[in-house]
Amino acid sequence: DVKVTQSSRYLVKRTGEKVFLECVQDMDHENMFWYRQDPGLGLRLIYFSYDVKMKEKGDIPEGYSVSREKKERFSLILESASTNQTSMYLCASSSRAENTEAFFGQGTRLTVV
Amino acid sequence: AQTVTQSQPEMSVQEAETVTLSCTYDTSESDYYLFWYKQPPSRQMILVIRQEAYKQQNATENRFSVNFQKAAKSFSLKISDSQLGDAAMYFCAYYVGYGKLTFGQGTILTVHP
Repeated sequence: DVKVTQSSRYLVKRTGEKVFLECVQDMDHENMFWYRQDPGLGLRLIYFSYDVKMKEKGDIPEGYSVSREKKERFSLILESASTNQTSMYLCASSSRAENTEAFFGQGTRLTVV
Repeated sequence: AQTVTQSQPEMSVQEAETVTLSCTYDTSESDYYLFWYKQPPSRQMILVIRQEAYKQQNATENRFSVNFQKAAKSFSLKISDSQLGDAAMYFCAYYVGYGKLTFGQGTILTVHP
């Protein structure tokens, strides 16, 4: 069974903290993604990576960074968490082939207080 | 940039009835891919169905089918014989390339017994 695993389902952090969200996939996928999900806005792409150590900005990268040191792991970093980063964060992975299905983790609901 | 619009924030259906979820998109491409994803309360995003724009035939997966109108840029999802397990948030998505997806705002589907 294919799997994308996010390290936490729920997180509560304080304003100004540095926050790490971890994602691991076991499908040997080249592509990995971080999306943010907010009510009425759907999912928006924060960052993606198409190879180890490669990263590209998505639609809303401000306030975030990422790290991909190994193929199976993609980390989202909030350098200094703010209350407007309270949201659901979804990690996904897919193979390099065109029109390929994206597989998602179960999401991390982050609350910044 | 491509945009995806789901104009129905919420829909409801009686068990065993049929419901149609709407999606429109904007693109200047002639060949592309469209997806419907389901997100149940467990938050695990699941691919429901995909459509390749160059194919004339509408995609079908068991009780799920699409009405793909390329000229109108419309991509609706029809769920036949609705079941309680169909209750979820449904997202329409456009494949941008490199595995990236642009999502609509989502439609919450409630199924009444």
